[in-house]
Amino acid sequence: SQQGEEDPQALSIQEGENATMNCSYKTSINNLQWYRQNSGRGLVHLILIRSNEREKHSGRLRVTLDTSKKSSSLLITASRAADTASYFCATDGIQGAQKLVFGQGTRLTINP
Amino acid sequence: EPEVTQTPSHQVTQMGQEVILRCVPISNHLYFYWYRQILGQKVEFLVSFYNNEISEKSEIFDDQFSVERPDGSNFTLKIRSTKLEDSAMYFCASSDGRYNEQFFGPGTRLTVL
Repeated sequence: SQQGEEDPQALSIQEGENATMNCSYKTSINNLQWYRQNSGRGLVHLILIRSNEREKHSGRLRVTLDTSKKSSSLLITASRAADTASYFCATDGIQGAQKLVFGQGTRLTINP
Repeated sequence: EPEVTQTPSHQVTQMGQEVILRCVPISNHLYFYWYRQILGQKVEFLVSFYNNEISEKSEIFDDQFSVERPDGSNFTLKIRSTKLEDSAMYFCASSDGRYNEQFFGPGTRLTVL
């Protein structure tokens, strides 16, 4: 399976600090996407990184992808209380538009 | 900014009843998906739909499930005879297919009693 697995499962930091979450997967991918989910709510698309990209930025988010290690990281800089949420990585295969396989997620808590 | 919408936000039903969950994907998207998330568990793929037919489905998507695009804007998931274990949050997603960037709706929380 292509399963993405996030690490750590839970992370608690102080407001203003940086938060780093990691994701590992098992098989070759086409793209890797990161999503945020506030408790009991919908999935908000954060960023997509293609398999031929190594790093991507969007605002306070920085995503890296290492296909040789089958891993990705999501860095949130200068965290805010509103960043408190669960963060998921999702991978897809190499044959065009198809299903996403999600990891278990990292629960991030930003303490004021 | 265009977004995926879903109705209802919460559906409570009795075991054995039929439910229809509705989604309006982003208007220029061509690929549509249903996922579900049982409380405390991972988001799981159910089905993908393109060009008016199912392109892929998971083992979860058995004969009790069906999808339909009844018109140019709606995309529905029907569960014919609900079971207790169908209780979950159901998410619709859509993509323009370019990089399989999938945008999710807010979900429908289905509770089967």
